[in-house]
Amino acid sequence: GENVEQHPSTLSVQEGDSAVIKCTYSDSASNYFPWYKQELGKRPQLIIDIRSNVGEKKDQRIAVTLNKTAKHFSLHITETQPEDSAVYFCAARGAGGTSYGKLTFGQGTILTVHP
Amino acid sequence: KAGVTQTPRYLIKTRGQQVTLSCSPISGHRSVSWYQQTPGQGLQFLFEYFSETQRNKGNFPGRFSGRQFSNSRSEMNVSTLELGDSALYLCASRSEGQGNSPLHFGNGTRLTVT
Repeated sequence: GENVEQHPSTLSVQEGDSAVIKCTYSDSASNYFPWYKQELGKRPQLIIDIRSNVGEKKDQRIAVTLNKTAKHFSLHITETQPEDSAVYFCAARGAGGTSYGKLTFGQGTILTVHP
Repeated sequence: KAGVTQTPRYLIKTRGQQVTLSCSPISGHRSVSWYQQTPGQGLQFLFEYFSETQRNKGNFPGRFSGRQFSNSRSEMNVSTLELGDSALYLCASRSEGQGNSPLHFGNGTRLTVT
């Protein structure tokens, strides 16, 4: 089945710096890659997603890039703010066989933005 | 639109007991998935239901089961509870049966097994 590796597990940056979180996936048939942000004690919330026919997507300070050949995708947060502090999860959704529709998550990255 | 609603929010059970968790998806969403979240294992997929049928299943023992009703509401049942079942159980819904629509999560049910 699908396997998603996420790095780093913890990331500490100063306010205003950029943060990059990277994920790799194993199933070349995966075609959907969302990113979720989970604040302490709250539910995961979708912040951005990308489909396999797109290489990059931006939404204000957040961007995601996808390299299908290398099977990796990354989350980029620019001009970080203290409220960006949270756990970030990447995920991949399979497209066929037993993986269809199943979202496999990375282990999460604890991002801390210091004022 | 109301979000995904899970009940109860907190639950304390004893080893060997069984438990049923409930999830009401966003109105119009027909697909409901369940995930187990623990500090050590992250978010693990349990199963997905669509139109009252289980469409996909994760690698959990048969003690974990679920069902979906005609109004798309879903329940998850865990029998013969073990200490290791203590976790946050998250339900998520999405609008399409196929395709890449995003998952919307509920606030979860925090299950503690003593």
